[in-house]
Amino acid sequence: AQTVTQSQPEMSVQEAETVTLSCTYDTSESDYYLFWYKQPPSRQMILVIRQEAYKQQNATENRFSVNFQKAAKSFSLKISDSQLGDAAMYFCACPLAGGSEKLVFGKGTKLTVNP
Amino acid sequence: DGGITQSPKYLFRKEGQNVTLSCEQNLNHDAMYWYRQDPGQGLRLIYYSQIVNDFQKGDIAEGYSVSREKKESFPLTVTSAQKNPTAFYLCASDNRAGGIYEQYFGPGTRLTVT
Repeated sequence: AQTVTQSQPEMSVQEAETVTLSCTYDTSESDYYLFWYKQPPSRQMILVIRQEAYKQQNATENRFSVNFQKAAKSFSLKISDSQLGDAAMYFCACPLAGGSEKLVFGKGTKLTVNP
Repeated sequence: DGGITQSPKYLFRKEGQNVTLSCEQNLNHDAMYWYRQDPGQGLRLIYYSQIVNDFQKGDIAEGYSVSREKKESFPLTVTSAQKNPTAFYLCASDNRAGGIYEQYFGPGTRLTVT
């Protein structure tokens, strides 16, 4: 079965510091998008950032950036200048192989931001 | 504002009763999804629909049923056959523009069955 692995169930970071959340995935697709979603205590899922596999340049959205290594099937999320509002569950997602348009989600990383 | 609504936010039912969770979207998205979220399990796909009047089972469809009579609506029924229905349920829809398949989520419904 296709998997998305987030190896860090929990992470913590000091306010204003940088933290990296890891994600590895397994797909046989050649062109696809990868996603990081944030789920704060309200439980509303919010898209943080997406990366197209064909693009060599890593995606960046303000303080959020990815380190995408296609050959290694690794898609980590870096949060710079961490803020208290960044505290949340973070989920990595990639499309299911075989032409399906479904996403497979990792089990999530709980990020705590310490003041 | 465009978005996805789920109601109610909290739902309580007695064991043995069927219950229907509502999901409505005004984003004009063709595809819609239902996920179940349990602690430590991430999101697990229950059912999905790529077009009106068509839907497919996901990974954990047993004990659930859906309908897709309108593009905007994708209700989920949790039947009495679902052995452990207490969970957080998320509905999503899918923007297929440019083949991106980015999913947009509703606020969720917390179902408690006692």
